[in-house]
Formats: sequence, C-alpha cells, structure tokens
Amino acid sequence: AQSVAQPEDQVNVAEGNPLTVKCTYSVSGNPYLFWYVQYPNRGLQFLLKYITGDNLVKGSYGFEAEFNKSQTSFHLKKPSALVSDSALYFCAVRPPNTDKLIFGTGTRLQVFP
Amino acid sequence: NAGVTQTPKFRILKIGQSMTLQCTQDMNHNYMYWYRQDPGMGLKLIYYSVGAGITDKGEVPNGYNVSRSTTEDFPLRLELAAPSQTSVYFCASSSGTYNEQFFGPGTRLTVL
Repeated sequence: AQSVAQPEDQVNVAEGNPLTVKCTYSVSGNPYLFWYVQYPNRGLQFLLKYITGDNLVKGSYGFEAEFNKSQTSFHLKKPSALVSDSALYFCAVRPPNTDKLIFGTGTRLQVFP
Repeated sequence: NAGVTQTPKFRILKIGQSMTLQCTQDMNHNYMYWYRQDPGMGLKLIYYSVGAGITDKGEVPNGYNVSRSTTEDFPLRLELAAPSQTSVYFCASSSGTYNEQFFGPGTRLTVL
C-alpha cells in the first residue's frame, strides 16, 4: 500500500538551532512530494515541493527539504529555528498516475525561546 | 483574491440531520478536494474533482456526497449525520495535479 510516515509526533528545538522534521514514503515509481504547515485553527499552507531535478528544494520561510531516493525520505529542514515556526507540519506524496495526495499524520514542531 | 472560502465555520448537528458544507474558489482551478482532519490522523481525502461535472471518491467517501456543477463551487453533502462524522473539514483547490493545493479555513462539525 502507498503511504507516508512521519515518525515523530512532536519535535522540540531551541530557537536558533537547526531543525529537522522527518518524512519517509512508500510509493511505486517516482513520487511527487510536498510539505505543508498548519497554524492553529487555520487551513494548511504550502511550503515546498519536489517534482524532479535537484534533490535539495527550497521553500517558504527559509525551509528546505532533501529528497533521498535510496532512503525514500523527504526530510524538512531549517538552519535556524524561530519561535514563530511552531506549528503542525504535514508531509504529503502524490503517487504516479493519480490526482490525489496522501498525507502523513503530522509532526508538531515546538520551538522554545 | 479571496482564495478558497468555506461556510459555515462551525456547526453542531443532531444525529440523522443533513447539511451541506459550502466551498468556493476564485482562482479558476480545475482540481478541488474535500478532506477531513481527525486528531492524530492527518488528512483523509473524502472526494475530489478534476473539473466541472467530474467527481471521484477518495479514501473515506461513505456518508458523503458531492457535486461540481461549476468550476468555482464544490459542495459536500452529509445526508444522515453520525457521531463518526465529527471532524474538521477542509476544502482545497489546485491548478494541476503537480501543483500545490490551496486550502480553505475549515469547517468544524460536531454531531451529537
């Protein structure tokens, strides 16, 4: 079955430190990968995507993600975390030949001052 | 551009009642989606549409119906509300299957 896993329910990091939010996927063929962020009582907002090309993709608010085909991972990273980055982060994958996204269960990022 | 708008923001239903959740987008997107979000479960796709007059089931379609008579509107119908349908519902739209989805603010539905 095609799926997305976010192994950490919560990630805690101090402001100014680098952060990583993990995502792995199980999809046949070449997937399209996305990261979204959700602030409290809001809809999801798009951060970045990988379709093809350079494995390191840069997105909004200083976030970036690295596509690793051999490890089937697409981890979200930021060099220096801000308190305002605290939110719920979702990884999503679009399997080939479908119009649907499969979402992970989300990782809550908490950045402490 | 208002983007994706959803009404109502909140609703409480009794078991067996019906209602329609409204979704409108003003970006001329062909693709529209309905998701439900339950705590710790991520987003589950209910129904989606790739254009006016075309709809298809997602992962959890039971108990719901949709229609897509125009590009802008994609209402979600609950016919016989059940407590299991208590959730937050999000509508989203996209200009293409490779492109990002834009989400509405959500409707929080409680069925008692």
